[in-house]
Amino acid sequence: QQQVKQSPQSLIVQKGGIPIINCAYENTAFDYFPWYQQFPGKGPALLIAIRPDVSEKKEGRFTISFNKSAKQFSLHIMDSQPGDSATYFCAASSTNQGDRALTFGKGTMLLVSP
Amino acid sequence: ETGVTQSPTHLIKTRGQQVTLRCSSQSGHNTVSWYQQALGQGPQFIFQYYREEENGRGNFPPRFSGLQFPNYSSELNVNALELDDSALYLCASSLQGAAGKLFFGSGTQLSVL
Repeated sequence: QQQVKQSPQSLIVQKGGIPIINCAYENTAFDYFPWYQQFPGKGPALLIAIRPDVSEKKEGRFTISFNKSAKQFSLHIMDSQPGDSATYFCAASSTNQGDRALTFGKGTMLLVSP
Repeated sequence: ETGVTQSPTHLIKTRGQQVTLRCSSQSGHNTVSWYQQALGQGPQFIFQYYREEENGRGNFPPRFSGLQFPNYSSELNVNALELDDSALYLCASSLQGAAGKLFFGSGTQLSVL
């Protein structure tokens, strides 16, 4: 059972465009929603995260929008650059679960063309 | 401050063999988690260690086992390797209680032939 569904699977945008990656979750116990960025040959790196008590969070060019009633959240990358080309993963965890293990989506491969 | 380091970076084994993967945590982190990332998929939680004990486990069989040492470094052991065990194995360190704020190593790419 896939608890976090991510779309699209891949995305191509031009430099300066605003790619949007969407995720939906099923488990209402989830209360922490991070996004990770992964470059080839590297492990995922935490990009930005949000808790369900806010509807939006911005860090630099990255913004998370969160819709608790719809159980959906999304990542927006403003003024995207070729260096943003990577695979992006949404994830979710529950603070009620002792290990707070992350459940990841399947990832979105983003290509930003020059 | 040193990051999370994993060894080896690549490994080739045959079906039925056993493998040990190693991880050194980021300085100051007391919790280690292991994830399996199949090609084209997101990482899947294997287990977590805190205070040298297993603190949680995902949907993986008992032939996946681990250890955490007093210096917080860790090992992942997989017995009776199967072809489907071929994947990138990621170690992540964190502070206990820091929900989801994981710091990943670059992983060990395991190929089972």
